[in-house]
Amino acid sequence: GDSVTQMEGPVTLSEEAFLTINCTYTATGYPSLFWYVQYPGEGLQLLLKATKADDKGSNKGFEATYRKETTSFHLEKGSVQVSDSAVYFCALRRAGNQFYFGTGTSLTVIP
Amino acid sequence: EAEVAQSPRYKITEKSQAVAFWCDPISGHATLYWYRQILGQGPELLVQFQDESVVDDSQLPKDRFSAERLKGVDSTLKIQPAELGDSAMYLCASSYGVLQPQHFGDGTRLSIL
Repeated sequence: GDSVTQMEGPVTLSEEAFLTINCTYTATGYPSLFWYVQYPGEGLQLLLKATKADDKGSNKGFEATYRKETTSFHLEKGSVQVSDSAVYFCALRRAGNQFYFGTGTSLTVIP
Repeated sequence: EAEVAQSPRYKITEKSQAVAFWCDPISGHATLYWYRQILGQGPELLVQFQDESVVDDSQLPKDRFSAERLKGVDSTLKIQPAELGDSAMYLCASSYGVLQPQHFGDGTRLSIL
């Protein structure tokens, strides 16, 4: 079945460090891919998305490229800030609008 | 602040009791979702509505869980009787259409004693 696998956390980085959170997927067909962010005590917020191969989603300095050949959608940011501390979820959407979420990766950025 | 409204934010109750959660989606959003998020895991879809109709409830434990969206606007998720394993965050989300991004509420954190 369809699934999403994320790198396990927690991840701790110093401010201004480079961030990569790995995400790979298994799916039939051509799903859309998403990154969501969840701040403590809140619901999920859409961070970025890509709907087809080679698309690059970007928002707030974060980027992710839909790589069909490696079935990956890794999240990157060149310089993290303390305010980026949150849990990040990779997700795929297949036909019928069914979403499958990864288990989440907790990021803590220290000053 | 989230635009999808959920209440209550927190609920503590004893096992075997009934609990209910309420969700008011963004105005105009026809599609509404209920998710369960166990601590340390990603959300899992429980039920999806298109207007007032259920389009997917394959993961809803129907012996104890029920969901309704009578007028195609707000929705209620109920658990009766609650079990210890039901402790989790219950998230509601809505979207304008089936292919549009989902907007999440802040969730209801349920603790079963």
